[in-house]
Amino acid sequence: AQKVTQAQTEISVVEKEDVTLDCVYETRDTTYYLFWYKQPPSGELVFLIRRNSFDEQNEISGRYSWNFQKSTSSFNFTITASQVVDSAVYFCALGPRGSTLGRLYFGRGTQLTVWP
Amino acid sequence: DTGVSQNPRHKITKRGQNVTFRCDPISEHNRLYWYRQTLGQGPEFLTYFQNEAQLEKSRLLSDRFSAERPKGSFSTLEIQRTEQGDSAMYLCASSSGTEKNYNEQFFGPGTRLTVL
Repeated sequence: AQKVTQAQTEISVVEKEDVTLDCVYETRDTTYYLFWYKQPPSGELVFLIRRNSFDEQNEISGRYSWNFQKSTSSFNFTITASQVVDSAVYFCALGPRGSTLGRLYFGRGTQLTVWP
Repeated sequence: DTGVSQNPRHKITKRGQNVTFRCDPISEHNRLYWYRQTLGQGPEFLTYFQNEAQLEKSRLLSDRFSAERPKGSFSTLEIQRTEQGDSAMYLCASSSGTEKNYNEQFFGPGTRLTVL
């Protein structure tokens, strides 16, 4: 079965706080891809990052960082020094390589609210 | 604008009517996906095209739903005899890639369907 679990439904922080969004996935595929998307209030999903299962290096992009741990099937996302503009719903998604390279399996999302 | 476009952005219809949505992908992308998103949920996969070939359909895609991509460019999603349960945001995404890679999907703004 392919499944993504984002246990945190809502998170509220005050501006400049660091925040980590959790993502746990399940797949039997040995090769797969993981993604994070942001959905701001305007509604359009914005691609943030793609990682493949062979690359466990953590990645940093500005205030964003991602921690991929295959041993715990987790792909967590940290925003450092959060800003009001980070307020959005964040989705983690799984793309199993063993399927038709088509569908993504999304989690239910985490609503992040950053207060000024 | 070179992003994914969808029309219409909003559609209100009465139960039992047919509706059709259009998606124009990023021009160089050979893959096109349809997803459905209901309130508080992540996008759920509906179907996927590689060029003009429909390669995968979800069980969510009942026989009232049909999707086409006749020339491998734009795509249409038709819902016949709409039901109130069809009310959702219908998202289109596109990506490039071959059988050996799995590139990120870029999403359009969605068509919000309300069935009265």
